[in-house]
Amino acid sequence: AQSVTQLGSHVSVSEGALVLLRCNYSSSVPPYLFWYVQYPNQGLQLLLKYTSAATLVKGINGFEAEFKKSETSFHLTKPSAHMSDAAEYFCAVRANAGGTSYGKLTFGQGTILTVHP
Amino acid sequence: NAGVTQTPKFQVLKTGQSMTLQCAQDMNHEYMSWYRQDPGMGLRLIHYSVGAGITDQGEVPNGYNVSRSTTEDFPLRLLSAAPSQTSVYFCASSPLGWKETQYFGPGTRLLVL
Repeated sequence: AQSVTQLGSHVSVSEGALVLLRCNYSSSVPPYLFWYVQYPNQGLQLLLKYTSAATLVKGINGFEAEFKKSETSFHLTKPSAHMSDAAEYFCAVRANAGGTSYGKLTFGQGTILTVHP
Repeated sequence: NAGVTQTPKFQVLKTGQSMTLQCAQDMNHEYMSWYRQDPGMGLRLIHYSVGAGITDQGEVPNGYNVSRSTTEDFPLRLLSAAPSQTSVYFCASSPLGWKETQYFGPGTRLLVL
């Protein structure tokens, strides 16, 4: 079984400050990990993904995440927040446990990021 | 490409009514899925399909039916709507494969009274 925990349902930062959104996963086999962003009244858009190549993954809009197996974490960071980063962020895991369930993507509960001027 | 499209954008139903949420993709993706999004619960998988004629249940399948007669379309049917099915529904598609990115539609907001 696989699961994802996002620590903090709401995170608030000032414009220009560091953004850190936490994600911990549980998986019995090596996982593939994804971060998605959802802007108000829109669908989900991929920010970045870890697929067992480099442990530091760079995504769109200046975001990056580091896969740490020892900590079972995949935290999302951005050095300097912009107002346009305000959205809800979802961490998701998919683990190859065999069978035909290729797409069983398990999502965390989501973290709403607020950016103050 | 239009990507993943969903209709309608918003729907109000009365308890006991049935309806079909439409999903289509023009990327020739084998894999398609339906999720529901509820506050504080992330997205939960309802049903998925790995190709035409092949469907399977996800985490929360009760009260929903699906079929996949073509690669492009994957409709979700609510058999007898209940207030607990008030939610936002997302359709997603991707190529087959564990590393593949799922592409999401814009969602359908459903209110069951």
